[in-house]
Amino acid sequence: DIQMTQSPSSLSASIRDRVTITCRANQSITTYLNWYQQKPGKAPKLLIYAASSLQSGVPSRFSGSGSGTVFTLTISSLQPEDFATYFCLQTYTTPYTFGQGSKLEIK
Amino acid sequence: QVQLVQSGAEVKKPGASVKVSCKASGYTFITYYMHWVRQAPGQGLEWMGIINPSGGGTSYAQKFQGRVTLTRDTSTTTVYMEVSSLRFEDTAVYYCARSSGGGYYGMDVWGQGTTVTVSS
Repeated sequence: DIQMTQSPSSLSASIRDRVTITCRANQSITTYLNWYQQKPGKAPKLLIYAASSLQSGVPSRFSGSGSGTVFTLTISSLQPEDFATYFCLQTYTTPYTFGQGSKLEIK
Repeated sequence: QVQLVQSGAEVKKPGASVKVSCKASGYTFITYYMHWVRQAPGQGLEWMGIINPSGGGTSYAQKFQGRVTLTRDTSTTTVYMEVSSLRFEDTAVYYCARSSGGGYYGMDVWGQGTTVTVSS
């Protein structure tokens, strides 16, 4: 199975900060990488697909980059509603595998 | 509007089986794959398997092979996930989620989740 390692596992930041979360795969997954946001008690929400494509309706302050084995999710200017947990997911091959999550908290 | 509506919470004893439904509406059912993902309390997300509603083909994570069965009913646009031989560690929220073409374009619509509690 492909292993996805996310970092950091938790971080604290302030409103209007720029934040970056990284996901590493233990083998190349080209650009088969999605990013999701999850709030407590809610289903995950798709933010980014194909490593860098913004899902319809998602604010442009979210962006994704990377290919091969290293990927990043960047939030350019944090808003109050962005404090949540973020997960990456590789869909290059089954079994699809998630990163362990990055919890973003208010500083 | 596009939505996936899952069946309600379940409480089961160890060794029992549970069947969770996911009813799709607002789109052409057979044109999107359906995934199942679970989340144990306080834990991360775990992909369980996928079904192609068009032909019924399935693929499962090795961990769940033989214990999880995905089926679909095209007449009611519903996908089902059955887990047999339940264990305490199967206690989790189970989600269905659709994707176009497997997963490259992401799982864009999710069900609300179904809590399954395994307790003696």
